[in-house]
Amino acid sequence: EAQVTQNPRYLITVTGKKLTVTCSQNMNHEYMSWYRQDPGLGLRQIYYSMNVEVTDKGDVPEGYKVSRKEKRNFPLILESPSPNQTSLYFCASSRGTPSRYEQYFGPGTRLTVT
Amino acid sequence: AQSVTQLGSHVSVSEGALVLLRCNYSSSVPPYLFWYVQYPNQGLQLLLKYTSAATLVKGINGFEAEFKKSETSFHLTKPSAHMSDAAEYFCAGLSTGNQFYFGTGTSLTVIP
Repeated sequence: EAQVTQNPRYLITVTGKKLTVTCSQNMNHEYMSWYRQDPGLGLRQIYYSMNVEVTDKGDVPEGYKVSRKEKRNFPLILESPSPNQTSLYFCASSRGTPSRYEQYFGPGTRLTVT
Repeated sequence: AQSVTQLGSHVSVSEGALVLLRCNYSSSVPPYLFWYVQYPNQGLQLLLKYTSAATLVKGINGFEAEFKKSETSFHLTKPSAHMSDAAEYFCAGLSTGNQFYFGTGTSLTVIP
């Protein structure tokens, strides 16, 4: 089944403890992206990647890192999480540029930083 | 700054009534505009997209949207609301650099 998977789905952690949220797609998609969703703010793009070893900052990249060493994986790294990074995170992928190809979203990861 | 603005964070309609969800974009946003739907506890799903081929765009589930450059608008409509349309709807724009800009969302309630 074609899908975007995220792990973990739920995570509660403490301030400053490094964490990684994994994202994997099995559709050989070139474009991958991370978003955070907060009440009243909608979705905001954190980072996106057009292909392996190519990443770009979105609207809110501060406090996050990403890497794209393999086409299928696009992990989101929080080196030193803070409470303001408590949010619902979505990974998404598309076959190519989203202007031409549909973007598929993962199920989301709910992160709480205390 | 590039942006899209959704007017009305909550909209309620009666079952069978017209659905109208409003979205305006900043004039600097290239004509790549999207509407997404999010059902409870799920990720987003594409409803439709505008890529300058036609001003009236038809999407899934009976939704459509009209791109109006003079009004910088891309409102989403459906002639007759169904209970299953209750969800959160997001308007989004895409820059030439493939960066997405989402609106703050509109929660649609359908009253039986």
